[in-house]
Amino acid sequence: DQQVKQNSPSLSVQEGRISILNCDYTNSMFDYFLWYKKYPAEGPTFLISISSIKDKNEDGRFTVFLNKSAKHLSLHIVPSQPGDSAVYFCAASYSGNTPLVFGKGTRLSVIA
Amino acid sequence: EPEVTQTPSHQVTQMGQEVILRCVPISNHLYFYWYRQILGQKVEFLVSFYNNEISEKSEIFDDQFSVERPDGSNFTLKIRSTKLEDSAMYFCASTPAGTRTNEKLFFGSGTQLSVL
Repeated sequence: DQQVKQNSPSLSVQEGRISILNCDYTNSMFDYFLWYKKYPAEGPTFLISISSIKDKNEDGRFTVFLNKSAKHLSLHIVPSQPGDSAVYFCAASYSGNTPLVFGKGTRLSVIA
Repeated sequence: EPEVTQTPSHQVTQMGQEVILRCVPISNHLYFYWYRQILGQKVEFLVSFYNNEISEKSEIFDDQFSVERPDGSNFTLKIRSTKLEDSAMYFCASTPAGTRTNEKLFFGSGTQLSVL
């Protein structure tokens, strides 16, 4: 039962271009969404989040967009840098301190 | 910057053996978690722990699993009799008090458990 889906296992982008990572969810109860980044041999690290009351949240080069009607969110990285190469996990939760539900991740490769 | 520390980084064990995975959460954090990721699959929630008791657990966290906070700093995950399908990367995580517990988890670098 995949409540959070990242359908692209990998993505390659040229340095300086935009990276767009997508995530779909099925549980309409989710009201909080997060992106985590994971480098090899390290644990996931928090990147950016968005509440369901918003449709956009921006932090420097990273912007997350939320489309509640489509149950879809995306992470935009502009401009992409080689250091952004990592696995990106989408995660979701709903009110009441429920555990995060993760997607399978998308491996981003930024090519210099 | 404070971080969640996990030991060992790799653990190899025979099927049926007991293993204990260790974690030192960030010192002022009060909520603790174990997640795991089987190779190629999603990161899955196992258990959350607060105020010296389990606050929530998943279907994966059956009677073979237990967690303990034996002292003021360590947080352990014990698997009593390991199975082949327990092979995974196990992540410990923590969050501070005063936040929604599902916000912004701080993860350790993981323990890769291989059951032979």
